[in-house]
Amino acid sequence: AQSVTQLGSHVSVSEGALVLLRCNYSSSVPPYLFWYVQYPNQGLQLLLKYTSAATLVKGINGFEAEFKKSETSFHLTKPSAHMSDAAEYFCAVSHQGAQKLVFGQGTRLTINP
Amino acid sequence: EAQVTQNPRYLITVTGKKLTVTCSQNMNHEYMSWYRQDPGLGLRQIYYSMNVEVTDKGDVPEGYKVSRKEKRNFPLILESPSPNQTSLYFCASSAQQVISTDTQYFGPGTRLTVL
Repeated sequence: AQSVTQLGSHVSVSEGALVLLRCNYSSSVPPYLFWYVQYPNQGLQLLLKYTSAATLVKGINGFEAEFKKSETSFHLTKPSAHMSDAAEYFCAVSHQGAQKLVFGQGTRLTINP
Repeated sequence: EAQVTQNPRYLITVTGKKLTVTCSQNMNHEYMSWYRQDPGLGLRQIYYSMNVEVTDKGDVPEGYKVSRKEKRNFPLILESPSPNQTSLYFCASSAQQVISTDTQYFGPGTRLTVL
């Protein structure tokens, strides 16, 4: 079975500060990992994904995430937060032949001016 | 424009009154899925479909039905809604029959309140 744990249901940072959203996974098979973002009153959209190629993955809007097998982590970072980054972020896991994505609980990111 | 559409976007109903939430995609995708989003629980899969006439249960299928008679449409049916089905519902689609590394495209969501 696969699962995802996002540490911190709510993260608040100042504009221009580093954004760090934490995601740890559990999987008995090699995982594929995703970060999705949900802006207010919208559906989810893909930020980035790890598909077993490069461990450092770059996504849209300046976000990146690093797959660390030894730590079973896939944390999302952005060097400098922008007001438009305020949203809810979901980490998700799948595997080869999977029929579904397993999502974490979500982290709401607030940006303070 | 490539998109997943859902209707209605908002719905308030009463216990026991059958309802259908429609979902349609114009990307010729094979895979479609329904999720519900609840605070603190993230997204949980209700049902999914790998192809026309092929559907299967997700993690929380109780109280829901689906059908996939055409590739583009995947309606969610609540035969006898109850208050614990009050939630935000998302339809999603992806190109391949299996998720693996595929990107899922989400609709805008349907906020359902059952009184």
